[in-house]
Amino acid sequence: GQNIDQPTEMTATEGAIVQINCTYQTSGFNGLFWYQQHAGEAPTFLSYNVLDGLEEKGRFSSFLSRSKGYSYLLLKELQMKDSASYLCAGPDSNYQLIWGAGTKLIIKP
Amino acid sequence: KAGVTQTPRYLIKTRGQQVTLSCSPISGHRSVSWYQQTPGQGLQFLFEYFSETQRNKGNFPGRFSGRQFSNSRSEMNVSTLELGDSALYLCASSSPGAGGQTYEQYFGPGTRLTVT
Repeated sequence: GQNIDQPTEMTATEGAIVQINCTYQTSGFNGLFWYQQHAGEAPTFLSYNVLDGLEEKGRFSSFLSRSKGYSYLLLKELQMKDSASYLCAGPDSNYQLIWGAGTKLIIKP
Repeated sequence: KAGVTQTPRYLIKTRGQQVTLSCSPISGHRSVSWYQQTPGQGLQFLFEYFSETQRNKGNFPGRFSGRQFSNSRSEMNVSTLELGDSALYLCASSSPGAGGQTYEQYFGPGTRLTVT
């Protein structure tokens, strides 16, 4: 089976760095996705990691450790517009995405 | 390329009624997945259609059904609506490989259903 866990809520300060963790147990791992969802809007794709290591995309980076069943999303130079929910998702053995409940990130001035 | 579109955007129904939601995927995408999202519950997977066939199904009662047409457009139907069905219904399209590998999903804006 597959289970994905992430913190419910985090708070950070504008201009700072925040790391959002995601842990998973999977019987058929096939990569891990991160999505951003602003309130009242649809999720939008941020990153996809299939190999171990860190992938950087501007202010956002995503890390994966397959042996530890662990991923994190790193947001640097936080801006107020980064206030959103961040969802991690991983495919099960049928290639169907299983989603975490999301981490609500609150940015304070 | 046009994005994923969903109609209607908002819907108010009463208990016991039925509802049909529509989703048009990105051109060329053959996979359409449907999700229910409620506050604090995250995305709950309903089902996925690929080339007019239901390929995966989540853990929802039989009142929830769907179909996909030859042009990849998909519809979702909920019969005998209950108050607990009030939620944001999202569809997402993707272009999986021949082996079914998971690829990035592109979401539509969603249909917000309120059941009174």
